[in-house]
Amino acid sequence: DAEITQSPRHKITETGRQVTLACHQTWNHNNMFWYRQDLGHGLRLIHYSYGVQDTNKGEVSDGYSVSRSNTEDLPLTLESAASSQTSVYFCASSESARNPYEQYFGPGTRLTVT
Amino acid sequence: DAKTTQPPSMDCAEGRAANLPCNHSTISGNEYVYWYRQIHSQGPQYIIHGLKNNETNEMASLIITEDRKSSTLILPHATLRDTAVYYCIVRVGYSGGGADGLTFGKGTHLIIQP
Repeated sequence: DAEITQSPRHKITETGRQVTLACHQTWNHNNMFWYRQDLGHGLRLIHYSYGVQDTNKGEVSDGYSVSRSNTEDLPLTLESAASSQTSVYFCASSESARNPYEQYFGPGTRLTVT
Repeated sequence: DAKTTQPPSMDCAEGRAANLPCNHSTISGNEYVYWYRQIHSQGPQYIIHGLKNNETNEMASLIITEDRKSSTLILPHATLRDTAVYYCIVRVGYSGGGADGLTFGKGTHLIIQP
């Protein structure tokens, strides 16, 4: 069955380190998204991509970057991790031709920055 | 995008229909109503969406009032596994293009009682 996976599921890192969170989908969806979820803020959009070589900034993109080299993957990189980036991160994908707002989410990565 | 208002929490007995209201009084003619849910510690899950006609799928029914200022998500026979936070989201219509993500509010915490 097609799916969307995230790795690692849990990560503890130190302030200042570079961290990369992986997202892989096998639906062949062209749209992919990264969100973060914090208590009291709901889900907030970090970055999104409409296809290979396309990336766009979301609401809370400072300190994060993404690159899209193929359809299946959209890795999220924290260039220099900060305690404020401790959060749960969700990746999602959708198909433009069908309905781009019918998004399918991964299981999430819980990141702790100490 | 139109703002939505949902009650913060609701209870429902197992086996009964759960009716979750959403107010979107400023909705525009080209905006759709989407419902997602998030079971504890999991990624959000798409449920259903609609423009002005009532919609039904294997998970739920969506009733949109004639003036489109409010809607109700109906889970016909709620089970304990339906305990989750339910999000009502309004987004402009799509035309085969990409999507710039979803805006999740605080949603309604639905608790199914045994």
